[in-house]
Amino acid sequence: GAGVSQTPSNKVTEKGKYVELRCDPISGHTALYWYRQSLGQGPEFLIYFQGTGAADDSGLPNDRFFAVRPEGSVSTLKIQRTERGDSAVYLCASSPAGVAGGNEQFFGPGTRLTVL
Amino acid sequence: DQQVKQNSPSLSVQEGRISILNCDYTNSMFDYFLWYKKYPAEGPTFLISISSIKDKNEDGRFTVFLNKSAKHLSLHIVPSQPGDSAVYFCAASGGGSNYKLTFGKGTLLTVNP
Repeated sequence: GAGVSQTPSNKVTEKGKYVELRCDPISGHTALYWYRQSLGQGPEFLIYFQGTGAADDSGLPNDRFFAVRPEGSVSTLKIQRTERGDSAVYLCASSPAGVAGGNEQFFGPGTRLTVL
Repeated sequence: DQQVKQNSPSLSVQEGRISILNCDYTNSMFDYFLWYKKYPAEGPTFLISISSIKDKNEDGRFTVFLNKSAKHLSLHIVPSQPGDSAVYFCAASGGGSNYKLTFGKGTLLTVNP
């Protein structure tokens, strides 16, 4: 079956521009996560969706970052007025609802964002 | 402050030997721990996990040990194979209804033939 897919795989933009990153989770997975991985670091949590609603957006660094999941499947991470410090790999993950005993999240390949 | 720490950025072992990757955590609310493996240009892939009510979980060549009193876990790979060469991330979850993961910085494992 298809895994988590993310588009584009690479995005180069200029400082101040707006970007959208897309995530297609595994079919039927109700939980969706966005993480950001900077060079030499582990992935850092940004936002968690359960269905259509953002259950936890505490990891979003500031109000330039916003994410939506209008139909409970595909999600888009939106970054306004990009800054050089936003350059990182943005990872999306999904998992089934109600996983007993823990949370195995399935990750996509990521989108590498470079802000010049 | 880093709640999940992997203090060894890299580890090199010979094929056939044991690889031991270590992880420490500070948040006592964490109740589920996972190891992920990552190849370049790919997303992390789930490897093995352990609940805080257990102290050991084994899956084939991979075993994870949890010492709650020391807030320490380790991943043992026996025997190590060249295909195991990758970055290994330790991650922790606080459980409940929000399973967001907190990751360490990773350890690059190189298994030499």
